[in-house]
Amino acid sequence: EAQVTQNPRYLITVTGKKLTVTCSQNMNHEYMSWYRQDPGLGLRQIYYSMNVEVTDKGDVPEGYKVSRKEKRNFPLILESPSPNQTSLYFCASSPRLAGGAKNIQYFGAGTRLSVL
Amino acid sequence: GQNIDQPTEMTATEGAIVQINCTYQTSGFNGLFWYQQHAGEAPTFLSYNVLDGLEEKGRFSSFLSRSKGYSYLLLKELQMKDSASYLCAVRDNYGQNFVFGPGTRLSVLP
Repeated sequence: EAQVTQNPRYLITVTGKKLTVTCSQNMNHEYMSWYRQDPGLGLRQIYYSMNVEVTDKGDVPEGYKVSRKEKRNFPLILESPSPNQTSLYFCASSPRLAGGAKNIQYFGAGTRLSVL
Repeated sequence: GQNIDQPTEMTATEGAIVQINCTYQTSGFNGLFWYQQHAGEAPTFLSYNVLDGLEEKGRFSSFLSRSKGYSYLLLKELQMKDSASYLCAVRDNYGQNFVFGPGTRLSVLP
């Protein structure tokens, strides 16, 4: 089954304790992205990756790191989490198509993170 | 800058038609997407417009006017299961960056 898998689904941690949220896709997609979703603000892009070893900042990258060593995996790293990073996080992937072609994103089930 | 506006909430009756509007001001444009998101779940793709006009897909249609920076999602024959948030998103010129609107929470009443 084609899917984007995130782990963990729920996480409670304390300020300053490094954590990693994993994301894996089995559709051989080139493009992967991380979003956070907060009430009233919608989905905001944190980082994205066009391919292996290629990553770029989205709209809200501060406090986050990513890596893309393999095509299928795109982990999100919080080196020193703070309470303002409490949010619902989504990973997404899509095939990279040229020009104006569709670039539908497929989302993981989400990770609800609470930083105390 | 990038800005996408949608109404926060809408209510409609089962069997009716509802139109959810989206206006955008972005530095580039390479397609507009509509996603549906049920509470606590992941967004799922509904429709895509890159040229002006109407795209129809069963009970759902989406319209785009690039000159006006405007789109709408039309839902016909509303069902209770259509109660969800509807997200409008614009892809930039290079196809790399996506900007999402705040979403419109639709409640379908019996």
